[in-house]
Amino acid sequence: QKEVEQNSGPLSVPEGAIASLNCTYSDRGSQSFFWYRQYSGKSPELIMSIYSNGDKEDGRFTAQLNKASQYVSLLIRDSQPSDSATYLCAVNRRHDMRFGAGTRLTVKP
Amino acid sequence: DGGITQSPKYLFRKEGQNVTLSCEQNLNHDAMYWYRQDPGQGLRLIYYSQIVNDFQKGDIAEGYSVSREKKESFPLTVTSAQKNPTAFYLCASSGGTENQPQHFGDGTRLSIL
Repeated sequence: QKEVEQNSGPLSVPEGAIASLNCTYSDRGSQSFFWYRQYSGKSPELIMSIYSNGDKEDGRFTAQLNKASQYVSLLIRDSQPSDSATYLCAVNRRHDMRFGAGTRLTVKP
Repeated sequence: DGGITQSPKYLFRKEGQNVTLSCEQNLNHDAMYWYRQDPGQGLRLIYYSQIVNDFQKGDIAEGYSVSREKKESFPLTVTSAQKNPTAFYLCASSGGTENQPQHFGDGTRLSIL
């Protein structure tokens, strides 16, 4: 079992729709969780952090965490073509971070 | 501006050659990391350092070496022992505690001549 698993996609949604990205992790002791956006050929950019169960909203982005189910998700409302990128889920365990392989999202105009 | 600077942006390696990738940060972060990313794949940890003069191997340290002589700098050397070095190399830093996110430089793309 991989430590952090994501659906590889690609995920395609029409402009204005909600994009839903999912991530599961194996280490129950993990305490902090992050979503990064990576455009093609560029480095990852932090877009959300979440530390406790429930939802955290920031603009069009909502991160959801369920530690009992070891599940993290990212919702993107009113998706825009500029949201087209690969989204990486990252889980912190003590002093190193584990990344999923990423989900490629395409938002079609 | 505060940030992480990686250089060069593109690097070519000849057979049998060692090359060094530079990573400098002015964020006053304690922890620094090196990752390798292959096409269509996630990030794999090569080495990390929590404090000056100390570093630990990550999952794929073979064929790589690092040093941490200054808080701001964490250079990575890709040695000739690394037989498949072609990849996108990313340097990151964080405040060092478990809840701190990592922030990335722009990366170095290494290819074999």
